[in-house]
Amino acid sequence: NAGVTQTPKFQVLKTGQSMTLQCAQDMNHEYMSWYRQDPGMGLRLIHYSVGAGITDQGEVPNGYNVSRSTTEDFPLRLLSAAPSQTSVYFCASSYSSLAEGTDTQYFGPGTRLTVL
Amino acid sequence: AQSVSQHNHHVILSEAASLELGCNYSYGGTVNLFWYVQYPGQHLQLLLKYFSGDPLVKGIKGFEAEFIKSKFSFNLRKPSVQWSDTAEYFCAVLSGNTGKLIFGQGTTLQVKP
Repeated sequence: NAGVTQTPKFQVLKTGQSMTLQCAQDMNHEYMSWYRQDPGMGLRLIHYSVGAGITDQGEVPNGYNVSRSTTEDFPLRLLSAAPSQTSVYFCASSYSSLAEGTDTQYFGPGTRLTVL
Repeated sequence: AQSVSQHNHHVILSEAASLELGCNYSYGGTVNLFWYVQYPGQHLQLLLKYFSGDPLVKGIKGFEAEFIKSKFSFNLRKPSVQWSDTAEYFCAVLSGNTGKLIFGQGTTLQVKP
């Protein structure tokens, strides 16, 4: 298994540009999430999905869109990039909701995004 | 809303020193708690987790954490740190039953050889 993969690893955008961060997992996980990591703020949830066709907002959803057309893929779209979106973005997945205690959330390697 | 607070933002220790990183959560009901580690240039990895039962949880690489419900705390400990423990450590709480994790601000640990 490749686990959770993210592309690209690095990206530089100009203010106002749009782009899509890709996330894929090959573990047949139903639950997928996007987080952003900023110094001193830990990881904050942007959007999450509990299965194909189902998405919902997290703590900081503004400026981002997601879709979940397949179980494997969960792309994150920046509609009009702003300098405040400069961050490291992590995708994560798990088979279940984690509430049973037997599952683990797996993280991708991250995408470092800079918006000028 | 649930929240997690990590008091120590940057900790510097010498090798063989003991480690304790603080974590407090806000929710008073049933909680599921995690500690993740992020080594330089790598993605997050699970160190340990607490769901129920024994409040002293043992994880990988000699780490352990104690869940103290009365203090809303889940502190991470290691008796003797190594240089290879240099990393950023995150405490997290599971929010609801949708696989959402709420993370603390993180603690950067620097271990001097």
